[in-house]
Amino acid sequence: GAVVSQHPSWVICKSGTSVKIECRSLDFQATTMFWYRQFPKQSLMLMATSNEGSKATYEQGVEKDKFLINHASLTLSTLTVTSAHPEDSSFYICSAYDPRQGGGYTFGSGTRLTVV
Amino acid sequence: AQRVTQPEKLLSVFKGAPVELKCNYSYSGSPELFWYVQYSRQRLQLLLRHISRESIKGFTADLNKGETSFHLKKPFAQEEDSAMYYCALKIGSQGNLIFGKGTKLSVKP
Repeated sequence: GAVVSQHPSWVICKSGTSVKIECRSLDFQATTMFWYRQFPKQSLMLMATSNEGSKATYEQGVEKDKFLINHASLTLSTLTVTSAHPEDSSFYICSAYDPRQGGGYTFGSGTRLTVV
Repeated sequence: AQRVTQPEKLLSVFKGAPVELKCNYSYSGSPELFWYVQYSRQRLQLLLRHISRESIKGFTADLNKGETSFHLKKPFAQEEDSAMYYCALKIGSQGNLIFGKGTKLSVKP
């Protein structure tokens, strides 16, 4: 089945630094990937839709300059949290649309970001 | 506005008992609904989608447009069914998913 690899699985960084999270589709080409954020004991909130070769579409309230998304190839999307602050600490999850599944979505294992 | 509501945060049942996890949606278009499951320390996995009308691991869900519901059911719960269950609605031309807040199912022996 479709596999999405997300890396790193966890990261601790200092306030003010930037962190990059990678999301790769391993056995299929993903023209569209999605980035979610999940707060403790809460649901997944869509942050942005990443489209290969074009600008990402951000959800209302998500700062584009804060959360930089790059989808330069059909198998890789990256989310960079710039100038991270403690309130950015969260669980970030990527997802890719796999047309082979007839419209299904495959999720990465998530990245736990802790900003100290 | 588009919305997915899962009214129960936690559902606790005994092994062998029937289970129903509720999901209601609000969407002006033609809905496409999913159930995802997240076992402890694992990633989200697709459990089923209403279009395929499959039964996965004994779970079924029927889309009721009149009641705008997509409840997940299983006649006899097993301990290994204990997990977080999320109902999701596909919207938009790019296929964004809106998730409910999730229901934690706990199946006791």
